[in-house]
Parts: sequence; C-alpha cells; structure tokens
Amino acid sequence: DAGVIQSPRHEVTEMGQEVTLRCKPISGHNSLFWYRQTMMRGLELLIYFNNNVPIDDSGMPEDRFSAKMPNASFSTLKIQPSEPRDSAVYFCATHSGVRAYGYTFGSGTRLTVV
Amino acid sequence: DAKTTQPPSMDCAEGRAANLPCNHSTISGNEYVYWYRQIHSQGPQYIIHGLKNNETNEMASLIITEDRKSSTLILPHATLRDTAVYYCIVRVGTDKLIFGTGTRLQVFP
Repeated sequence: DAGVIQSPRHEVTEMGQEVTLRCKPISGHNSLFWYRQTMMRGLELLIYFNNNVPIDDSGMPEDRFSAKMPNASFSTLKIQPSEPRDSAVYFCATHSGVRAYGYTFGSGTRLTVV
Repeated sequence: DAKTTQPPSMDCAEGRAANLPCNHSTISGNEYVYWYRQIHSQGPQYIIHGLKNNETNEMASLIITEDRKSSTLILPHATLRDTAVYYCIVRVGTDKLIFGTGTRLQVFP
C-alpha cells in the first residue's frame, strides 16, 4: 500500500496564478480531508468528502479555493488566483470509515506564493 | 474550535516513559479521543484512540479517566525519534478531526 499520495511535493508560483494540488487516497477509503498548516494557524480543516460528495466546506477560506473529488481515487484542491498568504503546507488525509483505524495523512504539498 | 487542552511543551529523557496529558472536559458520551503526532514537517501520524477503556498498541498506551474528562498518552520508553508535536483530538461528529496546538515533546539523550 503506497499510502495517501500527494503531488506535487513542492510548488512555487507567482501571485495571481492558478494552483492545483492533487491527492490520491488509499484504495477503499471513502472519506477524504484537505487540511492546511501554517505557523500562525496550525492545522486547519478546509473541506472533507464522503463517498466523493463534499460534506463540509466551512473551512474553505475564500471563493478562491475550490475542491473536487470526481471519483474515488482522485481529489484536487485549486486556488485561483493565488496570493502570498496562501503559502502553507497542504495535507490530504483519508479514512476507511472503520472506527478501529485512524486517518492516514499524505506527505503534504508545500506551497509558496511569491 | 479544538475541544482539548494540552501543555505547549514537555521534555523527557531517552529511555524513560513520556506521559502526555490532555484535558477534554466537554467531551460527549459518544466522542472518541484520538492521538496523533507530527514529526518535523511530515504529515500527522495516527498513534491510538479510545472511547472509555484504556487502550494499548505497539506505539503507546492511552489512559482515559473514568469521567472521561482527561486522558494521558504514554510512550513507555521514549527515544530520540519520538521528538514531535503530539495532538490530542476529540472527534467531532462522525468524521471531522479538529486539531489544536498540541504538545511539543523533546526527548533528550
């Protein structure tokens, strides 16, 4: 099992550009979560999906942020237009729905907007 | 908002037990307590979780008080590799994990 796979690992972009972060969940995991981590705000839950359906997007900071999960094996988090304050590490996590197990996080994407 | 309170930092000597406390006085009867840790800039790693009973796995033990208002994560023999930020989380609803600020554990030689 390769775990939760996020790409790219690092992204540097100019302010105003569109940024797309990608996540491949563990096969069979039906819940997917996007988190953002900064020094100032810690780990924040942005949005989560259950069975490919967005359940709670109350953590999405602005309309510039959008997330999709077109199928059970792929999700994207898009920022357009990007701003320097969006610089952070973005984590994707997935869960099987079985309470005996914890959530599995990916290695994250470090985004720098200059 | 996070529903837990943890000390911001703790130290532990290598080889000794590390006991990390967590207060969750507003926990509801069906809410689980989860523990995660984050080593440097890696993604958070699941450690253990429990509801009422004490739990143990290959990584740690979780002791939950009878009134469920607090818990303690125990790393029985801390190593330098256990240096990390440890998060105590009360699971909100059926899915969401809301992280607080955690405890930064420093294990020293």
